[in-house]
Amino acid sequence: DIQMTQSPSSLSASVGDRVTITCRASQSISSYLNWYQQKPGKAPKLLIYAASSLQSGVPSRFSGSGSGTDFTLTISILQPEDFATYYCQQSYSSPPLTFGGGTKVEIK
Amino acid sequence: QVQLVQSGAEVRKPGASVKVSCKTSGYTFASYYMHWVRQAPGQGLEWMGIFNPSGGTTTYAQKLQGRVTVTRDTSTSTVYMELSSLRSEDTAVYYCARGGWYVTDAFDIWGQGTMVTVSS
Repeated sequence: DIQMTQSPSSLSASVGDRVTITCRASQSISSYLNWYQQKPGKAPKLLIYAASSLQSGVPSRFSGSGSGTDFTLTISILQPEDFATYYCQQSYSSPPLTFGGGTKVEIK
Repeated sequence: QVQLVQSGAEVRKPGASVKVSCKTSGYTFASYYMHWVRQAPGQGLEWMGIFNPSGGTTTYAQKLQGRVTVTRDTSTSTVYMELSSLRSEDTAVYYCARGGWYVTDAFDIWGQGTMVTVSS
């Protein structure tokens, strides 16, 4: 199985900050990496697919980069509605389609 | 619009089974893979399996093999996930999530989730 490791597991940031979350795969997954946002009590929402493609309707302050084993999700200017937990997921190898452990973005 | 609407919360005793439904609308049912994902309280996301509504074929996570079954009703565009021999560690919110035309596609639409509680 491909293991996905996110860092940090949590972070505190202020509105307006630039936030970067990293995700590392245990083996190369090309660009088969997706990012999701989840707010408490809600289903996850797709933000970025194929490492760097912005899902329709997602604000442009979200961006993704990387290929192979190392990936990054960046929020350029953190907004109040961005406080949530973010998950990466590899879709290169099934089964299983593994998720990272999550990164909780909290208000400083 | 595209929607996945899941059945309501369930409570079961250990050893019992539960069947969760996911009714789809707004798109061609047979054209998109469907995934099941679960989330234990306070924990991360765990992929359970993938279902091809066109051919009815499935692939499950190894740890759930033998206990999980995904089926479909094409007349109502509904997918069902049944989990048997329930244990306390199966207590979680269960989500259906639409994939794409390919197994490698991301999950773009999610159901609202179904809470399953396993308790004696």
